[in-house]
Amino acid sequence: GDSVTQMEGPVTLSEEAFLTINCTYTATGYPSLFWYVQYPGEGLQLLLKATKADDKGSNKGFEATYRKETTSFHLEKGSVQVSDSAVYFCALRRETSGSRLTFGEGTQLTVNP
Amino acid sequence: KAGVTQTPRYLIKTRGQQVTLSCSPISGHRSVSWYQQTPGQGLQFLFEYFSETQRNKGNFPGRFSGRQFSNSRSEMNVSTLELGDSALYLCASSSDRGSNEKLFFGSGTQLSVL
Repeated sequence: GDSVTQMEGPVTLSEEAFLTINCTYTATGYPSLFWYVQYPGEGLQLLLKATKADDKGSNKGFEATYRKETTSFHLEKGSVQVSDSAVYFCALRRETSGSRLTFGEGTQLTVNP
Repeated sequence: KAGVTQTPRYLIKTRGQQVTLSCSPISGHRSVSWYQQTPGQGLQFLFEYFSETQRNKGNFPGRFSGRQFSNSRSEMNVSTLELGDSALYLCASSSDRGSNEKLFFGSGTQLSVL
């Protein structure tokens, strides 16, 4: 079945540091890939998405590129801020599965000033 | 535009009881899906409703059920509660079932089973 694997966390960085959170997936066909973010006490918010190979999703300084050959969708940001502290989830969604998302384990990011 | 609204925000129940959670999607959205979030299992898909019909179901026991009304509002029910049902239950809505369609999540209902 479908699965998503994220790098083990948590991740602690200083402000303005470079961020990478690794994500790899297993799925048949060509799923759409997503990064969601969850702030304390809130639901999930879509951060970015990519729907086909080599697509790059970007939003608020975050980027991720859909790599079919390595089945990866790593999240990057050049300079993190304290306000980026949250839990980040990688997810996939197959065209035939409606609103069903398969999530990774989540990565807790803490950014210190 | 109002977001996805879930009620109640917090709920405490005891083992063996049943519980009903409610979700009001964004106006105009016809798809509602439910997810369970726990520290051990992460985020897991429960089911999806579209135009009052269940269109997709995750791997949960029959104690977990749901329904959707004509106004797209959805409820999920858990009967004979177990301690392991303690979780944050998230509802998400979207305008249709396309894989590229954005899902909007509510803030969730935190269920504690004692």
